[in-house]
Amino acid sequence: AQKITQTQPGMFVQEKEAVTLDCTYDTSDQSYGLFWYKQPSSGEMIFLIYQGSYDEQNATEGRYSLNFQKARKSANLVISASQLGDSAMYFCAMREGAGGTSYGKLTFGQGTILTVHP
Amino acid sequence: DVKVTQSSRYLVKRTGEKVFLECVQDMDHENMFWYRQDPGLGLRLIYFSYDVKMKEKGDIPEGYSVSREKKERFSLILESASTNQTSMYLCASRTGVWGELFFGEGSRLTVL
Repeated sequence: AQKITQTQPGMFVQEKEAVTLDCTYDTSDQSYGLFWYKQPSSGEMIFLIYQGSYDEQNATEGRYSLNFQKARKSANLVISASQLGDSAMYFCAMREGAGGTSYGKLTFGQGTILTVHP
Repeated sequence: DVKVTQSSRYLVKRTGEKVFLECVQDMDHENMFWYRQDPGLGLRLIYFSYDVKMKEKGDIPEGYSVSREKKERFSLILESASTNQTSMYLCASRTGVWGELFFGEGSRLTVL
C-alpha cells in the first residue's frame, strides 16, 4: 500500500500567488515525521520543511508552511508569494518510527511538478 | 559544509555489465541510503545502512546489492545491469534516525 501519496502530478501558479501542494500519508506509528523537499531541474534535493507528529503547531520556514491535519493524515505544503525560482519538483516524505525494522527510513511520494508563470 | 559525493554524474553501461555506484559523505553520519528516482514513481528506497557493515533492504532491492566497509562510503552494486535499471540514483546520509537527510547530486545510469 502506498504510504505517501501526492495526487497532483503537475500544478501551475501565477507569480506572487500562493499555492498548496497536497500530500497524504498512511502509518500506524504514533511517532513519525513529515518532510518536504524541492528538486530543481539541476537535480539536487533541497530540504524545505519538517513536521513532527507530536508538534502541535504547523511548521513554517519563510514562505513555506506545512498544513498538518493529523486526523486526516495530510501534510500539505503551502508556498506563499510564489517566485519564478519556485518552479521545481516537490516531494513529500515520511519517516516512520525508529522501532522494529523501520530504522526510521524515509518513504517518498511520487512528486508534484510546480510551474510558476510570470 | 555538508557534503555527499557520488562518484559519477552520468554513466552508460551495457546489459550484463557489473556496475558500481559510489557514495562518500564527510559528515561522520551513521545512516546512508540509496534511492532510485523514476518519473511518476518518485524516490524508491533500494537499500540503507544504519552502521558500518550493516545493511537493510528497502522497497526495491531486487537486482542490487550494497557494501559499507567504512563509515563514510556506501556503494551500490548492480551485479548484472539490465535495461530496466536505467534510472537516476540518489545517495543520502544522516546523522541518526532523527537527523535531516542530505543528498548527493545523483548518478544518471543508462543501460543499453
